[in-house]
Amino acid sequence: QQKVQQSPESLSVPEGGMASLNCTSSDRNFQYFWWYRQHSGEGPKALMSIFSDGDKKEGRFTAHLNKASLHVSLHIRDSQPSDSALYFCAVSKPNTNKVVFGTGTRLQVLP
Amino acid sequence: EAAVTQSPRSKVAVTGGKVTLSCHQTNNHDYMYWYRQDTGHGLRLIHYSYVADSTEKGDIPDGYKASRPSQENFSLILELASLSQTAVYFCASSDATGGSSYEQYFGPGTRLTVL
Repeated sequence: QQKVQQSPESLSVPEGGMASLNCTSSDRNFQYFWWYRQHSGEGPKALMSIFSDGDKKEGRFTAHLNKASLHVSLHIRDSQPSDSALYFCAVSKPNTNKVVFGTGTRLQVLP
Repeated sequence: EAAVTQSPRSKVAVTGGKVTLSCHQTNNHDYMYWYRQDTGHGLRLIHYSYVADSTEKGDIPDGYKASRPSQENFSLILELASLSQTAVYFCASSDATGGSSYEQYFGPGTRLTVL
């Protein structure tokens, strides 16, 4: 069964700093990598997806995908206290509506 | 905006009792999912459905049943609740056609405590 590994388990950064999260898939047969964010007491919400090698930028968030190493990272520039949340990486397989989620990285942005 | 609602938002059940968690979506999505969230395990898929009156097993279906009576509604049923089923349960929906890259829209969750 496909596994999605995330690191680190938790991360603290100062307000205004850069947060970097990592994710690796165990299965080369994937279509999209997704990043989801979950604030305390809420359901996860999609941040962005990426399927091509290289960078994808959305505002302060940049995802970087390396298909050869099955690795995706998420970089949050100018981190804000509101970015404090649990971040999930998820991988979808081709032509399927199922995704496999990682165990998450808990980010704390310190004022 | 896409909307997924869940009820109840929290529930305390007794061991061996029956529990039904309900989910309703107004997204007009074909796919619906039930996940459980446990610390250290992330989100794990229990059951999913791609059409009314049909359900499929996910990765951890043992001890759970699902029901999809209509496109909008999807229920998760614990016939004999056990302590190990204490968790937060999330319902989600997604578009079947690949629109939005199969993005999943989640409900707010149901916190279930089995005593």
